[in-house]
Amino acid sequence: EPEVTQTPSHQVTQMGQEVILRCVPISNHLYFYWYRQILGQKVEFLVSFYNNEISEKSEIFDDQFSVERPDGSNFTLKIRSTKLEDSAMYFCASNTGTYEQYFGPGTRLTVT
Amino acid sequence: AQSVTQPDIHITVSEGASLELRCNYSYGATPYLFWYVQSPGQGLQLLLKYFSGDTLVQGIKGFEAEFKRSQSSFNLRKPSVHWSDAAEYFCAVGDPSGTASKLTFGTGTRLQVTL
Repeated sequence: EPEVTQTPSHQVTQMGQEVILRCVPISNHLYFYWYRQILGQKVEFLVSFYNNEISEKSEIFDDQFSVERPDGSNFTLKIRSTKLEDSAMYFCASNTGTYEQYFGPGTRLTVT
Repeated sequence: AQSVTQPDIHITVSEGASLELRCNYSYGATPYLFWYVQSPGQGLQLLLKYFSGDTLVQGIKGFEAEFKRSQSSFNLRKPSVHWSDAAEYFCAVGDPSGTASKLTFGTGTRLQVTL
């Protein structure tokens, strides 16, 4: 069964550094999403992406964040200058536009 | 704005006992409704979904949920819990009026199963 994959599974970075989180969505999906979950809290929407542009973003998704689909398979989330409060589990998801979203296993980002 | 409330932060049940996890939503119409499960250190796995039609939906692992429009609820049930069901359960809503719509999650209910 096709699945969403994410790399790395765990990323440790120093405050102020740039990080790129990578996702490979399910191949026939056209809509892509990033969510984050701070430890012990609920899953929060960050951004949705379709046809090479952002469809919707939350207030969390400020100028420090960007997304890109650099090729036909990858979908990336970049954080330009990480802060301590960016430490969280980041989930990528994809779907065909409606109906259920399929989530990857997540990348745990630890900012020190 | 849509919102989801899961009033129970933590529930403990004995193995073999029945389970009901509560979920209430706030939305102008009938949203898409989902239950996801997250085992420790794992991602989110879809248990079941409701879009329209029969208000009692069946999911994986023996779970079911019932949509009650009058109560704005979508409670998750299982008749007999197994120790492997211990996990965090999230209810989520999606907006059916648009494509690429975000999911809004509740705060989750942590299920503990005692032997």
